[in-house]
Amino acid sequence: DAGVIQSPRHEVTEMGQEVTLRCKLISGHNSLFWYRQTMMRGLELLIYFNNNVPIDDSGMPEDRFSAKMPNASFSTLKIQPSEPRDSAVYFCASSLRLQDNRGPLHFGNGTRLTVT
Amino acid sequence: TQLLEQSPQFLSIQEGENLTVYCNSSSVFSSLQWYRQEPGEGPVLLVTVVTGGEVKKLKRLTFQFGDARKDSSLHITAAQPGDTGLYLCARQTNDMRFGAGTRLTVKP
Repeated sequence: DAGVIQSPRHEVTEMGQEVTLRCKLISGHNSLFWYRQTMMRGLELLIYFNNNVPIDDSGMPEDRFSAKMPNASFSTLKIQPSEPRDSAVYFCASSLRLQDNRGPLHFGNGTRLTVT
Repeated sequence: TQLLEQSPQFLSIQEGENLTVYCNSSSVFSSLQWYRQEPGEGPVLLVTVVTGGEVKKLKRLTFQFGDARKDSSLHITAAQPGDTGLYLCARQTNDMRFGAGTRLTVKP
């Protein structure tokens, strides 16, 4: 089991540029979460999907942020245009959800984004 | 707004000491999870507590879920430098939201 795989591990970009973060879920998992972590705000939920369908995107900061699941095993988080305040570590996590029972979250190792 | 309040925010202790960290909420949860996060990595699940009053042990770590299922505690006995990390609690609901965490440093 390769675990949740995120890429890139580090991303440094200039303000105004488009940034795309990628996540590969654990095979068989059907829920996908995107989080952002900073010292000031902790681990914030941005959006989560069940069976490829976005369920709650209320944590997405602005319209500059968008997330997709083109298939059951892959997701992207896009920021366009990026701003310095977007600098943070972005995590995705997957889990197996059966009816009302959600299994534990399995996190990737994160993407550290720096916007200058 | 943090639905889960964790305390203390920071804790620095010497190896061999005992410690307790807390996770509190005004809401009742069906279950709650504790995770540990080490630098450069994502959080990793330690335990899930489900029943009010439940106590679970994981080696030197003891987890307790409050009787009213609104709070939980994590007690570490004889802390070791390897226990250093960010300890996070999360409500196990459809939208898995986390507390701000307790950042623990255990000095040799």
